[in-house]
Amino acid sequence: EADIYQTPRYLVIGTGKKITLECSQTMGHDKMYWYQQDPGMELHLIHYSYGVNSTEKGDLSSESTVSRIRTEHFPLTLESARPSHTSQYLCASSGGTLSYEQYFGPGTRLTVT
Amino acid sequence: DAKTTQPPSMDCAEGRAANLPCNHSTISGNEYVYWYRQIHSQGPQYIIHGLKNNETNEMASLIITEDRKSSTLILPHATLRDTAVYYCIFLGGGADGLTFGKGTHLIIQP
Repeated sequence: EADIYQTPRYLVIGTGKKITLECSQTMGHDKMYWYQQDPGMELHLIHYSYGVNSTEKGDLSSESTVSRIRTEHFPLTLESARPSHTSQYLCASSGGTLSYEQYFGPGTRLTVT
Repeated sequence: DAKTTQPPSMDCAEGRAANLPCNHSTISGNEYVYWYRQIHSQGPQYIIHGLKNNETNEMASLIITEDRKSSTLILPHATLRDTAVYYCIFLGGGADGLTFGKGTHLIIQP
């Protein structure tokens, strides 16, 4: 089992609220990722990081922002939540040369009302 | 990520071997074949990867044809908990994120 954690697992919040989704891993992996996935739909990369102080935008444009101040922690923030942000957010990490062996957290299912 | 072709769904009896095929005819020499699965409402789970040799780990075996244009994931003794969508992808240098296609929905029957 990979040691990657996400909190909260479920979040229902009103429009306009600021939210932060937490992701932590204890494997010492340099690379971390945030994906967005709607039910039954494809996975979309929205942010990734190669290490501390490194953040990049992914393939899918997102209004969220991320930070990487510590190796083990990669939080995602939405300054003003909207119903269009309703989705599942999955965090992943990988170590080693090949970045495709990724380990995923359980996900946060976000509902914005 | 380039395209792979997988059957949309498969059934397998519990305790039997599940063999999941994947065609990746456009794979190039330095690209690896990766398999992931996603159980309903959970994050994807890495299963196995290979370049050209057959690979085995505690979860599965991966058989890659000599021309590398197709592969088969084998779950040797399927259990009900193996019911999931299985994704075959091939990846080389430069890409970071994973992009899955439709995958194969494997249903293990009791």
